[in-house]
Amino acid sequence: KNQVEQSPQSLIILEGKNCTLQCNYTVSPFSNLRWYKQDTGRGPVSLTIMTFSENTKSNGRYTATLDADTKQSSLHITASQLSDSASYICVVSDQVSSSASKIIFGSGTRLSIRP
Amino acid sequence: DVKVTQSSRYLVKRTGEKVFLECVQDMDHENMFWYRQDPGLGLRLIYFSYDVKMKEKGDIPEGYSVSREKKERFSLILESASTNQTSMYLCASSLGGATDGEQYFGPGTRLTVT
Repeated sequence: KNQVEQSPQSLIILEGKNCTLQCNYTVSPFSNLRWYKQDTGRGPVSLTIMTFSENTKSNGRYTATLDADTKQSSLHITASQLSDSASYICVVSDQVSSSASKIIFGSGTRLSIRP
Repeated sequence: DVKVTQSSRYLVKRTGEKVFLECVQDMDHENMFWYRQDPGLGLRLIYFSYDVKMKEKGDIPEGYSVSREKKERFSLILESASTNQTSMYLCASSLGGATDGEQYFGPGTRLTVT
């Protein structure tokens, strides 16, 4: 069964510190992997997308990495800010197809930044 | 600026009521989605539409139906609401073609069924 697992479930860090969120997946064949940020009371917003051939993708202070061999991805946040407090969701698509059920969402990591 | 709007942010309904959740997008996207989001479970796809009047069941379609009469509008219908349908409902849209393109989400509707 295609699955996407994220760790940790929740994380609290001090403002200014760095952190790394993990995503492991069993989805196959693989098409792409996205990281979304979901603020409380809002819908998710895409941060990065990576395809099979990409190892790293940055978006400001967010850097995503992908190891397609081990089926692992990470999202690294540098110099955290209070506005980074949110849930971060890993989403994996298994192929370019007409079926939206091939898009698998992780349950997310809840990140809290403390001043 | 991309925009997906949902008719209500919060909704309280009674068991057995018929419930309509409306979603409108202004980006001329072909694909529209309805998800529910529950703690610890991630987003689960209820229904998907890739064109006007076209729909496809997602992972958890039981107890729900959808309607897409116009390209910009996708409605989710709970024929007879039950307490286990208490959840956050998220609508999304994406460009046509492949369904794994970036999805743009609405703010969500938190539905409580009592």
